[in-house]
Amino acid sequence: NAGVTQTPKFQVLKTGQSMTLQCAQDMNHNSMYWYRQDPGMGLRLIYYSASEGTTDKGEVPNGYNVSRLNKREFSLRLESAAPSQTSVYFCASSELDRSTDEQYFGPGTRLTVT
Amino acid sequence: GEDVEQSLFLSVREGDSSVINCTYTDSSSTYLYWYKQEPGAGLQLLTYIFSNMDMKQDQRLTVLLNKKDKHLSLRIADTQTGDSAIYFCAETSGSARQLTFGSGTQLTVLP
Repeated sequence: NAGVTQTPKFQVLKTGQSMTLQCAQDMNHNSMYWYRQDPGMGLRLIYYSASEGTTDKGEVPNGYNVSRLNKREFSLRLESAAPSQTSVYFCASSELDRSTDEQYFGPGTRLTVT
Repeated sequence: GEDVEQSLFLSVREGDSSVINCTYTDSSSTYLYWYKQEPGAGLQLLTYIFSNMDMKQDQRLTVLLNKKDKHLSLRIADTQTGDSAIYFCAETSGSARQLTFGSGTQLTVLP
């Protein structure tokens, strides 16, 4: 099992450009999450999908959209990138039926917006 | 809203014990977690504690939970250079068990 995979690993965008970050998991998990990580601020939840066909806003959703394409894939889109969106983006998945609710994380996408 | 707080940095000598502290606000959290992040990598679950427990021990790791003070700590015995990483505490909330993370504690182990 590959676990949670993310593409691309690195990306540089100019202000105003758009892009989609891809995430896939092969653990048959129901729930998927997008976080951003900024220095000294931990991880903050952008959007999540509790199950296939549903998405909900997290703590910092402005400037982002998501699509739960199927049970495996959850993408994050930046329609018009801004320098404030320079960050490391992590995707995670979880099987809520498990007692510990452990989230499994991908390796991250490092995005720089100039 | 939920808020989880940690100190940003901790340095210890190899072989000493490390104690990383965390305070949280959501008393309804079922589980509290410690995640480890090595440089350039994603987060991995290190250990967790169920909210009705006071202590959990797992090899070199000891988790203490004080529900009255909403204080969580992680003790690493015989700290090794491979333990150098960022450690995040986290609590869950909401129907999808969303995680709220602390800011992370950068542990540096000195030889």
